[in-house]
Amino acid sequence: RKEVEQDPGPFNVPEGATVAFNCTYSNSASQSFFWYRQDCRKEPKLLMSVYSSGNEDGRFTAQLNRASQYISLLIRDSKLSDSATYLCVVSPGNTGKLIFGQGTTLQVKP
Amino acid sequence: DTEVTQTPKHLVMGMTNKKSLKCEQHMGHRAMYWYKQKAKKPPELMFVYSYEKLSINESVPSRFSPECPNSSLLNLHLHALQPEDSALYLCASSQGGGEVEAQHFGDGTRLSIL
Repeated sequence: RKEVEQDPGPFNVPEGATVAFNCTYSNSASQSFFWYRQDCRKEPKLLMSVYSSGNEDGRFTAQLNRASQYISLLIRDSKLSDSATYLCVVSPGNTGKLIFGQGTTLQVKP
Repeated sequence: DTEVTQTPKHLVMGMTNKKSLKCEQHMGHRAMYWYKQKAKKPPELMFVYSYEKLSINESVPSRFSPECPNSSLLNLHLHALQPEDSALYLCASSQGGGEVEAQHFGDGTRLSIL
């Protein structure tokens, strides 16, 4: 079993749609959780950290369920510019290591 | 614009060449990282430097040699690479405190081994 699992997609959605990505992690001792976005042939960029209380940044909402070892990302009112690969990232401890999921590809169509 | 700067952006080298990748950050971060990323795959951690000391080596072959001259700079020296080493090499940094915080990536060096 992979340490961080994501559905690779692709998710093809029309502009304005709401889309949700899920991610599960295997190490119950994991401490920090993030969503990164990566455009084709570019570097990963931090989208948001994920907290147990849930957090929202504009059209983006992230949730963490520690009991189920599950992380989600909700994107509302999708824009063409949201097309990218979304990486679920987990840190198993305080070593500085980040474990990346395989990424979920989103294509927003006009 | 990224706050982590990597040079060169592209590098083509033969298997017998020696070259170096460079990374610089001026955010006062004390942890720096090298990752390797192949097409359609997530980044794979290679090395972690914390307070200028190597803290993690993910069993990387010795043909890759990292160096951290000071808290702002991180180099990756390359020698006798193989074609399968062709990839995007990403540098990242983070504050380096006790808790794990998000890492900030440079835009990478795209390396091709002939």
